[in-house]
Amino acid sequence: KQEVTQIPAALSVPEGENLVLNCSFTDSAIYNLQWFRQDPGKGLTSLLLIQSSQREQTSGRLNASLDKSSGRSTLYIAASQPGDSATYLCAPGGYGQNFVFGPGTRLSVLP
Amino acid sequence: DTEVTQTPKHLVMGMTNKKSLKCEQHMGHRAMYWYKQKAKKPPELMFVYSYEKLSINESVPSRFSPECPNSSLLNLHLHALQPEDSALYLCASSQEEGVIHNEQFFGPGTRLTVL
Repeated sequence: KQEVTQIPAALSVPEGENLVLNCSFTDSAIYNLQWFRQDPGKGLTSLLLIQSSQREQTSGRLNASLDKSSGRSTLYIAASQPGDSATYLCAPGGYGQNFVFGPGTRLSVLP
Repeated sequence: DTEVTQTPKHLVMGMTNKKSLKCEQHMGHRAMYWYKQKAKKPPELMFVYSYEKLSINESVPSRFSPECPNSSLLNLHLHALQPEDSALYLCASSQEEGVIHNEQFFGPGTRLTVL
């Protein structure tokens, strides 16, 4: 059964810093991995989807990488802004199973 | 348009009530999902519909009854719920289930409180 961890659990940084959020998963037989953000009490917003054949994906200030063999993905946020404050969740999608979510990293960017 | 809509936004019900949650998408997606999310926890998968047929039931109690009337609509019928069922219920859709480009899009959720 897929198990997903995310480090750190919480992060508080001043505005403008570059950030790295980490996601680890135990079963490397995945076909993709999706990163989401969730604002308090709201639904999930899709940020990036990395297919298993890809090494990374970029969208604006966000860059996500995937190392399937080692069971790791990282989300890099450049020049963080207060509007980036949210919980960030990763979810690998595996063959024969649907997305399993990590516990999330709670990010606070201070003005 | 990558919008998934859910109604109602909030629902308060007693343990003897019957109510339904609704989810709708117009992206032509053929997979739809129900998730349950407790406070400060990640979403947990409840049901998956693929091409309007129930594909996955993650051992959910029978007091939750899903229904997919057509490819755009997904309902979750609730009956005789318990206070511990209070949570945020999220609906999601994707192009197809279990494929490499399976990007999921989520609705805003229904906040359910069971008294």
